[in-house]
Amino acid sequence: QLQLQESGPGLVKPSGTLSLTCTVSGGSISSSGSYWGWIRQPPGKGLEWIGSIYYNGNTYYNPSLKSRVTISVDTSKNQFSLKETSVTAADTAVYYCASGVIGSFDYWGQGTLVTVSS
Amino acid sequence: EIVMTQSPATLSVSPGERATLSCRASQSVGSNLAWYQQKPGQAPRLLFYGASIRATGIPARFSGSGSGTEFTLTISSLQSEDFAVYYCQQYNIWPPYTFGQGTKLEIK
Repeated sequence: QLQLQESGPGLVKPSGTLSLTCTVSGGSISSSGSYWGWIRQPPGKGLEWIGSIYYNGNTYYNPSLKSRVTISVDTSKNQFSLKETSVTAADTAVYYCASGVIGSFDYWGQGTLVTVSS
Repeated sequence: EIVMTQSPATLSVSPGERATLSCRASQSVGSNLAWYQQKPGQAPRLLFYGASIRATGIPARFSGSGSGTEFTLTISSLQSEDFAVYYCQQYNIWPPYTFGQGTKLEIK
């Protein structure tokens, strides 16, 4: 059973950079056909896809965030990461890492709350 | 970007009754639609992909249907653990993957 776990600072200052890591266990991040993504949920609101990285290294981002977001993978650690620059209070959310094969997100981390505040 | 619209925003149903949730896409997504269930303080859980293919471990009282722009999630006999927020997500035309705004299923 695939398991994902987010980690990173829970508080980021405005204009700073949000950095999160997702550690994958129970499977390889390099598995053919797999993809790994980040999804966020502002308090009391719905889900927003941030971006995904595929097993072949290709990345895709939400156009609304593309200029500020980078997703990368570290196969040696079986981890993938999110960096989001120039954050504002609007970026305060629970951030989930998730994975899938065909477009849906089959496995999710428990989520981590990131608050943007001085 | 494909816009996903769910209705109603809130649905009040009594335990044991049937619940029907709707999801509409702004353009055809074929059968490339997923449904998720989210309980307070938890991550979403995949219920269906391919519009009607039940994910592992999902009870048979849940069913998904539809294609193109109109989709339905039906829960045939509501159990206490089914009261949650439900989201649809399209993965036909991306980026971006897009979610509906959610339907809150509450106890009547």
